[in-house]
Amino acid sequence: KNEVEQSPQNLTAQEGEFITINCSYSVGISALHWLQQHPGGGIVSLFMLSSGKKKHGRLIATINIQEKHSSLHITASHPRDSAVYICAVGFSGTYKYIFGTGTRLKVLA
Amino acid sequence: ETGVTQTPRHLVMGMTNKKSLKCEQHLGHNAMYWYKQSAKKPLELMFVYNFKEQTENNSVPSRFSPECPNSSHLFLHLHTLQPEDSALYLCASSHSRNEQFFGPGTRLTVL
Repeated sequence: KNEVEQSPQNLTAQEGEFITINCSYSVGISALHWLQQHPGGGIVSLFMLSSGKKKHGRLIATINIQEKHSSLHITASHPRDSAVYICAVGFSGTYKYIFGTGTRLKVLA
Repeated sequence: ETGVTQTPRHLVMGMTNKKSLKCEQHLGHNAMYWYKQSAKKPLELMFVYNFKEQTENNSVPSRFSPECPNSSHLFLHLHTLQPEDSALYLCASSHSRNEQFFGPGTRLTVL
């Protein structure tokens, strides 16, 4: 069992739908990152969270440290949001990171 | 232009070859990372350097040899690789333990 689990693994949505991707982890962490990877491999950092909630445009990320759970929400989804979304956890005092397997999102026009 | 560049973008090599991957960051970051991404597997951290000093080595086989001559440059020297080493190799950098900026990756195929 991976220490970082994401769900769902694959998700297809219609344009305009509200999307939620979940990340659960089993270890104590200092921060959680959400990343976006487009076809071809390029990875972009979306959020870094240690508590609460962050919002950037149509993207919202939340984290519940006690429940060891984070969610990434996309409002008014668009085909350009189609990508793999990856959750990663970091640990206090180290540069070590553990990654989830990713959620492959496809938004249909 | 991305702040993190990687060369080459694609590499095909035989098991007896020696090659090197190069990463350069123009962001003034202190930390640089090598990651391996194999098909259907999570990203795996390989090495981390902080101000040129290696801080993480994730039990990587010795056929992968990293080099960090300064905070802006990172190399991954490859020798006697195996076909299962074929993957996308990604470099990233960060200021301390903040958000990471990734390069475009090198797609490596070992024949």
